[in-house]
Amino acid sequence: DVKVTQSSRYLVKRTGEKVFLECVQDMDHENMFWYRQDPGLGLRLIYFSYDVKMKEKGDIPEGYSVSREKKERFSLILESASTNQTSMYLCASSLGRRGSPLHFGNGTRLTVT
Amino acid sequence: GDSVTQMEGPVTLSEEAFLTINCTYTATGYPSLFWYVQYPGEGLQLLLKATKADDKGSNKGFEATYRKETTSFHLEKGSVQVSDSAVYFCALSDHADKLIFGTGTRLQVFP
Repeated sequence: DVKVTQSSRYLVKRTGEKVFLECVQDMDHENMFWYRQDPGLGLRLIYFSYDVKMKEKGDIPEGYSVSREKKERFSLILESASTNQTSMYLCASSLGRRGSPLHFGNGTRLTVT
Repeated sequence: GDSVTQMEGPVTLSEEAFLTINCTYTATGYPSLFWYVQYPGEGLQLLLKATKADDKGSNKGFEATYRKETTSFHLEKGSVQVSDSAVYFCALSDHADKLIFGTGTRLQVFP
């Protein structure tokens, strides 16, 4: 089974801090994704990556950046955390073939105070 | 752009009742369609998928048929259990192989 591991389950940070959310997958998947999940809004795509050192903006990239130095690891960075970034963050990976499903981690619930 | 619309919840049912959660989509081309389930405190898990028109995806007693003529992918189960209580997400893969999700439907099943 594919395993997608997010480094923290719960995180509490202060406004203005730089925050790193880490995600590792163990199945040599090409594609990796970061979504945020908010009640009533479903999942919204922040950034995704098709290959090492490649990144593409999703629907809501403002206030975020990403890093993919190795194929198995995809990091989400909040350059200066704000209270409106309090949310559940979900990392996912996929094979990269058409119709491939996404495999999700268990999520990181981030609270910015 | 591409989008997914699913019925608002919560859907509240008694055990052994019939379940339908409606999902319709708007897309250019021929997307693959998915249902994901999220149990409390967990990430999303793939429940079933269909990759072309008239395909039926099925898993754990759940079914959904890809209907191109009505642009729908409704989720059904003949007899729900308490353990099916979760949030269900309909999704499509766009031309760039990203998944676009609906807003989710919470299902609550009572004994």
